[in-house]
Amino acid sequence: DVKVTQSSRYLVKRTGEKVFLECVQDMDHENMFWYRQDPGLGLRLIYFSYDVKMKEKGDIPEGYSVSREKKERFSLILESASTNQTSMYLCASSFGERKLFFGEGSRLTVL
Amino acid sequence: GESVGLHLPTLSVQEGDNSIINCAYSNSASDYFIWYKQESGKGPQFIIDIRSNMDKRQGQRVTVLLNKTVKHLSLQIAATQPGDSAVYFCAENINSGYSTLTFGKGTMLLVSP
Repeated sequence: DVKVTQSSRYLVKRTGEKVFLECVQDMDHENMFWYRQDPGLGLRLIYFSYDVKMKEKGDIPEGYSVSREKKERFSLILESASTNQTSMYLCASSFGERKLFFGEGSRLTVL
Repeated sequence: GESVGLHLPTLSVQEGDNSIINCAYSNSASDYFIWYKQESGKGPQFIIDIRSNMDKRQGQRVTVLLNKTVKHLSLQIAATQPGDSAVYFCAENINSGYSTLTFGKGTMLLVSP
């Protein structure tokens, strides 16, 4: 089975801190994605990547950046966390076909 | 933090009933559709997918129906069990360049014993 692992299930950070969310997939997938999920708003795409060192903006990239130095790892970075970035963050991967495999999520609280 | 299930339409059924979860999609050019299940505190799990050249696809206890005329997708779950209680999302996609899945808001399914 495909495994997408997000390094932290729960994080609490302070406003202005730099936050790294790490995601690793073990199936040699080309494509990786970061979503945030908020009640009433569903899943919204932040950034995605179709290859190493390549990134594309999703629907809500403001306040975020990403890094993909290795094929299996896709990191989401909040340069200066704000309270409106409190959310559930979901990483996903896919290869070719459009079916995404999701991690278990990282719930971030920014105080 | 708030549960993802708040603010969602809810379908409540009895154990053993058949459940039908509906989804209206937005883009008539979409050619791929997928259903996910998300249990509380977990990431979405793939259930079943269907391409636009089909109007029905069956899996284990689940069936997806696609009506392109009215841009409607449904997920049928046979003999619903308490373990089926979750939020169910549909998503659509157009096979074009770097297009990505567009997700619906979801429906919460509550199964009582």
